[in-house]
Amino acid sequence: EAQVTQNPRYLITVTGKKLTVTCSQNMNHEYMSWYRQDPGLGLRQIYYSMNVEVTDKGDVPEGYKVSRKEKRNFPLILESPSPNQTSLYFCASSIGTGVSEAFFGQGTRLTVV
Amino acid sequence: SQQGEEDPQALSIQEGENATMNCSYKTSINNLQWYRQNSGRGLVHLILIRSNEREKHSGRLRVTLDTSKKSSSLLITASRAADTASYFCATGDGGSQGNLIFGKGTKLSVKP
Repeated sequence: EAQVTQNPRYLITVTGKKLTVTCSQNMNHEYMSWYRQDPGLGLRQIYYSMNVEVTDKGDVPEGYKVSRKEKRNFPLILESPSPNQTSLYFCASSIGTGVSEAFFGQGTRLTVV
Repeated sequence: SQQGEEDPQALSIQEGENATMNCSYKTSINNLQWYRQNSGRGLVHLILIRSNEREKHSGRLRVTLDTSKKSSSLLITASRAADTASYFCATGDGGSQGNLIFGKGTKLSVKP
């Protein structure tokens, strides 16, 4: 089954404690991206990757890092999480860059206290 | 950067009625897509319409695109309680950056 898998689904952490949210897709998609979703603000793109070792900033990259060492995986790293990073995070993948449908993971609800 | 803007923000209808949601955008596009999100879950792709298309159907969904007005509409006919969800439009410019830019969504509630 074609899918994008994120882990964990829920996470509560403390300010400053580094964390990683994993994302993996099994569709051999080149394009992957991370979004955060906040009430009243919709989905905002954090980072995206057009292929292995090719990543770039989206609209709200501050406080986040990503890596793309393999085609299937695109982890999101918060080196020093802060309360304003409390949000619902989604990973997505697609064949092309904005020209085909995107497949989304189930989301990671992160709370930073 | 927000590109799509859905209207209305919220819509409440009775089962069996039609639901119409609109999306306006600002810059030229390669395609426009509609997604659905059940509460707190991942987005699911519904339909993609290319800039050279004017109308597209998929089951009970009908999407129109007017590039001269930079707007699109999503019509759900004979709505069901299970259609209750948030609906988002997303625009793709097909460029080298090629991001999908999402609007803030329309929250649809279908009462049984």
